[in-house]
Amino acid sequence: SQQGEEDPQALSIQEGENATMNCSYKTSINNLQWYRQNSGRGLVHLILIRSNEREKHSGRLRVTLDTSKKSSSLLITASRAADTASYFCATDAWMYSGGGADGLTFGKGTHLIIQP
Amino acid sequence: EAQVTQNPRYLITVTGKKLTVTCSQNMNHEYMSWYRQDPGLGLRQIYYSMNVEVTDKGDVPEGYKVSRKEKRNFPLILESPSPNQTSLYFCASSLIGAEQFFGPGTRLTVL
Repeated sequence: SQQGEEDPQALSIQEGENATMNCSYKTSINNLQWYRQNSGRGLVHLILIRSNEREKHSGRLRVTLDTSKKSSSLLITASRAADTASYFCATDAWMYSGGGADGLTFGKGTHLIIQP
Repeated sequence: EAQVTQNPRYLITVTGKKLTVTCSQNMNHEYMSWYRQDPGLGLRQIYYSMNVEVTDKGDVPEGYKVSRKEKRNFPLILESPSPNQTSLYFCASSLIGAEQFFGPGTRLTVL
């Protein structure tokens, strides 16, 4: 099944700087979602962007989606130490999965470290 | 409070001893899913269910079973666990096509 791939695998920045993570995927999707995971804990949903949307904001988060390039980016502005976590993109292609709902297909994540 | 619960949270067992990890959601979601997370491999889907009595294989179903007799519950069954099933397991639920809500995870060690 298709998979999102995040880039970079790891990112370390200073507190207050902006962090950008990218995600690429392979086939048509219904939506793309970003999740955050603190070490060993459950995933927390951040943003869902539908295939007919190009940009979405939520607080300090900005997500873009380019379906022609099959890519998305997550921007975290004015980063804080509490943003240290792993970030995953996940693609949802349930309308393209032949009647079944394959559910989300996750990438391997970007590990973000915010240095105080 | 809307949530997905999993039990147990931690489990150490031995090869071949059948076990069940329970998952329950209180949001009336049709869709439920199980994932395993391993270092360097990210999250991989094991099984999913679109509704009661409807289940299907994900990417890594070998060695696992599931059932969906009630909408709120989606247990994961390991009939004969092996060491390669040592992993961190997550249950999730959602409306179809919407954000998924994840449980807190079950850390399983098979000796």
